[in-house]
Amino acid sequence: GENVEQHPSTLSVQEGDSAVIKCTYSDSASNYFPWYKQELGKRPQLIIDIRSNVGEKKDQRIAVTLNKTAKHFSLHITETQPEDSAVYFCAAEMYSGGGADGLTFGKGTHLIIQP
Amino acid sequence: NAGVTQTPKFRILKIGQSMTLQCTQDMNHNYMYWYRQDPGMGLKLIYYSVGAGITDKGEVPNGYNVSRSTTEDFPLRLELAAPSQTSVYFCASSYGDIVRGEKLFFGSGTQLSVL
Repeated sequence: GENVEQHPSTLSVQEGDSAVIKCTYSDSASNYFPWYKQELGKRPQLIIDIRSNVGEKKDQRIAVTLNKTAKHFSLHITETQPEDSAVYFCAAEMYSGGGADGLTFGKGTHLIIQP
Repeated sequence: NAGVTQTPKFRILKIGQSMTLQCTQDMNHNYMYWYRQDPGMGLKLIYYSVGAGITDKGEVPNGYNVSRSTTEDFPLRLELAAPSQTSVYFCASSYGDIVRGEKLFFGSGTQLSVL
């Protein structure tokens, strides 16, 4: 099955600086890679996703890059703000048998924005 | 629309007790999922369903059962609660296959402690 590794587990950056979170995956059949943000005590929410037919996708201050050959993808947040403080999870399609069964999640990165 | 609604929000069980976590969605979504999130970890798929009457196991199904008699409801049953089942449980849904572009919507979670 799919295995998703996420680094770092904790990331502290100064407000206004950039943050980068990296994930690797094991199943070369995976083609869909979403990122979720989870604030303390809240549900995970999708913030951006990327499919294997593109190498990069941007949405305002957030971007995701994908390297299918190396099987890794990254989340980039520029001009970080206090409201970016949260736990971020990467995920990849999970396959078994006949098709995709859902998502396999990384363990999460606790992003701390220092004022 | 209320989205994905989970009940209860909190529950404490004794070892060996049984309970059902309720999940309902009012978005006419075909796909529904149950995930568990252990402290400091990502979400792991317990069971999922691609439509009424159809369920399938995820990564960590042992100790759980599900049913999908209607499109709206996807309850998760714990028959003999064990301390290892202490976790936060998230129900989620999507209109179609998330790997084809459908977004995953999460409920607000159920915090379960087994003592």
